[in-house]
Amino acid sequence: EVQLVESGGGVVRPGGSLRLSCAASGFTFDDYGMSWVRQVPGKGLEWVSGINWNGGSTAYADSVKGRFTISRDNAKNSLYLQMNNLRAEDTAFYHCARDETVGTTVYWYFDLWGRGTLVTVSS
Amino acid sequence: DIVMTQSPDSLAVSLGERATINCKSSQSLFYSSNKKNYLAWYQQKPGQPPKLLIYWASTRESGVPDRFSGSGSGTDFTLTISSLQAEDVAVYYCQQYYSTPYSFGQGTKLEIK
Repeated sequence: EVQLVESGGGVVRPGGSLRLSCAASGFTFDDYGMSWVRQVPGKGLEWVSGINWNGGSTAYADSVKGRFTISRDNAKNSLYLQMNNLRAEDTAFYHCARDETVGTTVYWYFDLWGRGTLVTVSS
Repeated sequence: DIVMTQSPDSLAVSLGERATINCKSSQSLFYSSNKKNYLAWYQQKPGQPPKLLIYWASTRESGVPDRFSGSGSGTDFTLTISSLQAEDVAVYYCQQYYSTPYSFGQGTKLEIK
């Protein structure tokens, strides 16, 4: 089955760190760019970060730049998001999403989503 | 940064009737070199992740019913559901992938009248 499954969410204090993981299955992981998209419960969607197929190109939303780091391990079919210096406004569900990729060109729309993992930043 | 604005915020339509959702971008999403509009539409039902419906403004994703269609170019886009079904109750989002940060509209909640 083609799927993405996130893990690693939880409750953390402001200033703390978390590392999210996304396990991909059912498709050739290193054929695709990948992204993290977050959603405050009951609110809209915010793209957080993206990475191309081999990790050679990354991008971040201004709201997380310098605090979050996206990475991938193609041998393990896994995507990661290292989140440091967390703030209350980072509280959200974090979804892993697959980007449409043709050859080595990533088109940053999302054709497969995971169900998300909840990150709560609270003292 | 490109700002995406949807209208209306919520919409109630009778079963079998047409539903229309609009999306406006703060700058053109048309890329002249490939003549494509970098605009996608998603459907999100309660408790589920978003589902891709439309990309390149008007290309329907595989498996999406043909009652869903996308149109528009440049800065103005529309998602149309030609004959509303009960299972179409959801929140709909547009998203631009023309330039980073890849932004979404605020969402339109579609309900049955």
